[in-house]
Amino acid sequence: AQSVTQLDSHVSVSEGTPVLLRCNYSSSYSPSLFWYVQHPNKGLQLLLKYTSAATLVKGINGFEAEFKKSETSFHLTKPSAHMSDAAEYFCVAPFSSNDYKLSFGAGTTVTVRA
Amino acid sequence: DGGITQSPKYLFRKEGQNVTLSCEQNLNHDAMYWYRQDPGQGLRLIYYSQIVNDFQKGDIAEGYSVSREKKESFPLTVTSAQKNPTAFYLCASSIEKAGGPGDTQYFGPGTRLTVL
Repeated sequence: AQSVTQLDSHVSVSEGTPVLLRCNYSSSYSPSLFWYVQHPNKGLQLLLKYTSAATLVKGINGFEAEFKKSETSFHLTKPSAHMSDAAEYFCVAPFSSNDYKLSFGAGTTVTVRA
Repeated sequence: DGGITQSPKYLFRKEGQNVTLSCEQNLNHDAMYWYRQDPGQGLRLIYYSQIVNDFQKGDIAEGYSVSREKKESFPLTVTSAQKNPTAFYLCASSIEKAGGPGDTQYFGPGTRLTVL
């Protein structure tokens, strides 16, 4: 079974500075990988999805993530944080290679300072 | 306008009462899911359904029940057997049959249930 580890439970950045959210997965195969964002009291919104077509994936709102098989990582970045980026972010992967269930990371809360 | 709707947004229940949370989708997705989210935790799967009239237990199904009589609807009942039902509940759907494992799941806005 796949597990997903988000290495930081909380990240605080200043507006206009880069954001880095770290995610590692446990699988030995190259899975689909997702990043979702959740604003307070809202549902999850898909930021981006990796499907093996390209290792650098661009998403919405200026976010991108790079798949590194050798490091089993899928870190999320944004060059310049905006106040509206303050939210919780989840790294997600399929539970197994033949399972429709998803395995969620514990989440990273992003705070943006003015 | 396609999407997933959940109602109500906020729900209050007295201890010992059953309550049903609604989830409807007009995306023509085959699969639907119910998750529970507690503060500071990721999402935990309660039930999922890959096709009408069929559903499977997730990781924390005890105290919950579901039905899937229509493709677009997947209501969740929180029964009095659920010991700690206060949480944020999220419904999701995915195409599934078309893509297989790793299909994107699309989420509704959630229902916050509070037991008084």
